[in-house]
Amino acid sequence: KAGVTQTPRYLIKTRGQQVTLSCSPISGHRSVSWYQQTPGQGLQFLFEYFSETQRNKGNFPGRFSGRQFSNSRSEMNVSTLELGDSALYLCASSKTLDTQYFGPGTRLTVL
Amino acid sequence: AQSVTQLGSHVSVSEGALVLLRCNYSSSVPPYLFWYVQYPNQGLQLLLKYTSAATLVKGINGFEAEFKKSETSFHLTKPSAHMSDAAEYFCAVSGGLTGGGNKLTFGTGTQLKVEL
Repeated sequence: KAGVTQTPRYLIKTRGQQVTLSCSPISGHRSVSWYQQTPGQGLQFLFEYFSETQRNKGNFPGRFSGRQFSNSRSEMNVSTLELGDSALYLCASSKTLDTQYFGPGTRLTVL
Repeated sequence: AQSVTQLGSHVSVSEGALVLLRCNYSSSVPPYLFWYVQYPNQGLQLLLKYTSAATLVKGINGFEAEFKKSETSFHLTKPSAHMSDAAEYFCAVSGGLTGGGNKLTFGTGTQLKVEL
């Protein structure tokens, strides 16, 4: 069974640009969550999508947005990038409330 | 609201020694609790979870954890450390069936070092 895949794995952008990250969940999983991991702030929840609807949202500015497609694939977008957006962005998929499977992450570097 | 506190950002043990990583939680609803492990340049792997069934939970790679409501703790243990256990460990909490969907709130992590 294929795991959660995230593309791209590495990304370098400059301040002010925007970026789109993609996540393909495990087949049959309808929930996709996104997390940001930084050395300073640790692992922080961004948002969760379930059946194309945002079910939960973390405490991030509106520059961070996401969506989910009918095949459960999800994208997150960060507009007007700031240096502080440099992080590992992790996607997790789940079928139930008691187990989430994480992808390998996308390492975003903002210069 | 939920939160998790992990005591000790770095723990060092000898190979073959007991591993004990501490986690205390705060939750306004019956929590689901999790331990994840992260190896360098990788995502998170679920070690074990507590979802209100048995309070002693066994996970992968010989790890186990005990849910103690009176102490609001969910400490992770392994009887005998192996070099391959060296990684960062995260405790996390969610609201489970009582709300919050799949939102996980993580602790700050504990880096485990295993020495010969």
